[in-house]
Amino acid sequence: EAGVAQSPRYKIIEKRQSVAFWCNPISGHATLYWYQQILGQGPKLLIQFQNNGVVDDSQLPKDRFSAERLKGVDSTLKIQPAKLEDSAVYLCASSPSYRNEQFFGPGTRLTVL
Amino acid sequence: DQQVKQNSPSLSVQEGRISILNCDYTNSMFDYFLWYKKYPAEGPTFLISISSIKDKNEDGRFTVFLNKSAKHLSLHIVPSQPGDSAVYFCAAWGSSNTGKLIFGQGTTLQVKP
Repeated sequence: EAGVAQSPRYKIIEKRQSVAFWCNPISGHATLYWYQQILGQGPKLLIQFQNNGVVDDSQLPKDRFSAERLKGVDSTLKIQPAKLEDSAVYLCASSPSYRNEQFFGPGTRLTVL
Repeated sequence: DQQVKQNSPSLSVQEGRISILNCDYTNSMFDYFLWYKKYPAEGPTFLISISSIKDKNEDGRFTVFLNKSAKHLSLHIVPSQPGDSAVYFCAAWGSSNTGKLIFGQGTTLQVKP
């Protein structure tokens, strides 16, 4: 069974630039999560989708971050414009539904200069 | 507000000995706890979990203990192996039913041969 795929794996940008991350969850998983992991901290949920609807985006900085999950499969997370404090690993996870084991992708390491 | 805390950033043990990783939480509404293991450049992978109705769950070399009155859980690895060297995250399902995971900061375990 293929795992959660993410791209790119690494990205370096300058502050005020835009960046987008892509996630392909495990086939059949209805729930998709985007987490932000800052160095030395645990992952923090940014947004959760159930199929193509948003369940929780309470910690998403909506003035600069946006996410979508078209057709309830792949998802993209965008940052526009980026700030220095956005430097982190962005993890995508999927699960069959709520409160099931979450399977994580390898993450995208973002460096904002 | 750090609802899940891992106060030891790192732990070093000798191969064959016991590793004990600790985790504290503040929200008494948490009803399910999970441990994830993370290798460098990979996403976290699920290790073991425990429901709040239990005080112990065992899976091979891994045992998780839960002390609800103290709001404390611990992960025991016996015997420890060099391949266990990784970052370990304690996590709890939030008090809502959305499946949102609240992570601790992580503990880096090094098992020396």
